[in-house]
Amino acid sequence: GENVEQHPSTLSVQEGDSAVIKCTYSDSASNYFPWYKQELGKGPQLIIDIRSNVGEKKDQRIAVTLNKTAKHFSLHITETQPEDSAVYFCAARNANNAGNMLTFGGGTRLMVKP
Amino acid sequence: EAGVTQFPSHSVIEKGQTVTLRCDPISGHDNLYWYRRVMGKEIKFLLHFVKESKQDESGMPNNRFLAERTGGTYSTLKVQPAELEDSGVYFCASSQETGGGYTFGSGTRLTVV
Repeated sequence: GENVEQHPSTLSVQEGDSAVIKCTYSDSASNYFPWYKQELGKGPQLIIDIRSNVGEKKDQRIAVTLNKTAKHFSLHITETQPEDSAVYFCAARNANNAGNMLTFGGGTRLMVKP
Repeated sequence: EAGVTQFPSHSVIEKGQTVTLRCDPISGHDNLYWYRRVMGKEIKFLLHFVKESKQDESGMPNNRFLAERTGGTYSTLKVQPAELEDSGVYFCASSQETGGGYTFGSGTRLTVV
């Protein structure tokens, strides 16, 4: 089955700096890669996603890049703000998985210091 | 629209007891998923309903876990009897279609003592 590794497990940055979280996946058939943000006391919230026919996608301060050959994808947050502090999860879905099951990475706790 | 609602938000039970978690998906969402996060590890898939049918239950850890979705609306996840290793946060999510991301509830934090 699919295996998703996520690094780092914790990340501390100064407000205004950039943050990068990286994930690798094992199943070359995976074709959908969402990123979720989980704030304290809340459930994971989808913030951006990318499909395997696209190499990069941006949404304001957030961008995701995908390298299918190397089987890794990354989340980039620019001009970080204290409200970006949360746990971020990457995930992958196998194209052959008719059930839409997502395999998640272990999460990254991002702390943005004012 | 109302989001995915889970109840209770927290539950503390003794080993050997029974607990039932409830999930109300977004109205009109045929797809309903259960996931859990144990001991700060990754979020792991438990099962997927399409309407009232179990599409995929490959993630259910053992027969102490029973999920139902009668009538294709809300779902329940029963753990009977609960064991210490069942402690964690149980998330429910729903989606209208199977091709994209889905909306998670806030989760139920289950503590088995």
